[in-house]
Amino acid sequence: EVQLLESGGGLVQPGGSLRLSCVVSGFTFSSYAMSWVRQAPGKGLEWVSGIRGSGSSSYYADAVKGRITISRDNSKNTLYLQMNSLRAEDTALYHCAKGGSAWSAYFDSWGQGTLVTVSS
Amino acid sequence: EIVLTQSPGTLSLSPGERATLSCRASQSVSSNYLAWYQQKPGQAPRLLIFGASSRATGIPDRFSGSGSGTDFTLSISRLEPEDFAVYYCQQYGGSPPLFTFGPGTKVDVK
Repeated sequence: EVQLLESGGGLVQPGGSLRLSCVVSGFTFSSYAMSWVRQAPGKGLEWVSGIRGSGSSSYYADAVKGRITISRDNSKNTLYLQMNSLRAEDTALYHCAKGGSAWSAYFDSWGQGTLVTVSS
Repeated sequence: EIVLTQSPGTLSLSPGERATLSCRASQSVSSNYLAWYQQKPGQAPRLLIFGASSRATGIPDRFSGSGSGTDFTLSISRLEPEDFAVYYCQQYGGSPPLFTFGPGTKVDVK
């Protein structure tokens, strides 16, 4: 069974930093692309960042470019999201999502998410 | 950047009725790169359809996807009580590659 478990969310002041983690099981992690998708309270889904299965390439939404870094440790089956210079508009539930292949056009499994709240 | 528009915003139907949800793109989307998700309150999204018309593993055949170019449709042939939820379309494309979601259609009980 595929499982994705996010952690690392919390309350942070504007301008602060957080590092989110997503530990996965039930599949060969290095063979699949992974992404972070966020959902502001009561709002829709917004893709944040994605990384290829090998970790060779990563991509970012314009809204977070330059402030957020995605990475993965395939030896630990873990995906990360380093978030710096956080803003109020970054407040959201952050889901990690598994792609359908090493680089995929869709997300076939999702975690329940970790909540990030940016507020003073 | 391709913008997705979903209609209607809310669809009020009774169990057993047919639901037809629309997703329109601001530019042509490859059919290979259009997906649909279901999300229930307090739950993570679930992949229903990928490649515009292929059902994901375990998805009942009452769910079907169709369309091409800029117009795509998710149909639910006979609504079951567990189908009342929010549905999102999502496309992939561009350089650098981007994923964008539509704003969602809520299917609620009439």
